[in-house]
Amino acid sequence: GNSVTQMEGPVTLSEEAFLTINCTYTATGYPSLFWYVQYPGEGLQLLLKATKADDKGSNKGFEATYRKETTSFHLEKGSVQVSDSAVYFCALKHQAGTALIFGKGTTLSVSS
Amino acid sequence: GAVVSQHPSRVICKSGTSVKIECRSLDFQATTMFWYRQFPKQSLMLMATSNEGSKATYEQGVEKDKFLINHASLTLSTLTVTSAHPEDSSFYICSAVASGQDEQFFGPGTRLTVL
Repeated sequence: GNSVTQMEGPVTLSEEAFLTINCTYTATGYPSLFWYVQYPGEGLQLLLKATKADDKGSNKGFEATYRKETTSFHLEKGSVQVSDSAVYFCALKHQAGTALIFGKGTTLSVSS
Repeated sequence: GAVVSQHPSRVICKSGTSVKIECRSLDFQATTMFWYRQFPKQSLMLMATSNEGSKATYEQGVEKDKFLINHASLTLSTLTVTSAHPEDSSFYICSAVASGQDEQFFGPGTRLTVL
């Protein structure tokens, strides 16, 4: 079946450090891939997405590239800020109108 | 932007009682809403898909008689946990999809604690 595996947290970084959160997936066909972010006390928000192989999603300095050959969608940011502290979820959707399948989430904590 | 609210945000109840959680799309009409359950340090697990005006579709292993879902209008879906037990304690999250669109918008979640 379809599934998402992302690196265990928590990830603790200093401000301006480089961030990578690994995400790999198992799916039949060509799913769409997503990263969601959940700030404390808030609902999940879409951070970025990619709908086909080699697409790069980007938003707020975060990037992720849909790699079909490695079934990966790793999240990266060149210089994190304290305000980036949140829980990040990798997810896939097999087709339009269906529910998302989530990874376990990775907690990021950035200190100044 | 699209906003989804959940009420209550936190509820504590006694074992054997029923609890209703509301999910509302505040500024758009949602033909489809999803209900998820999240255990500590685990991913969101889809419980059911709720379409306005029709019966919800439950995922395998989710008891439909225990988790009653009603999507009576285009802006409201409710999840009722019937005869709650301590093992039902969890974080319940809903999401809504606007009519004719594909992106899901999530509510902030409801923390249920059953004593």
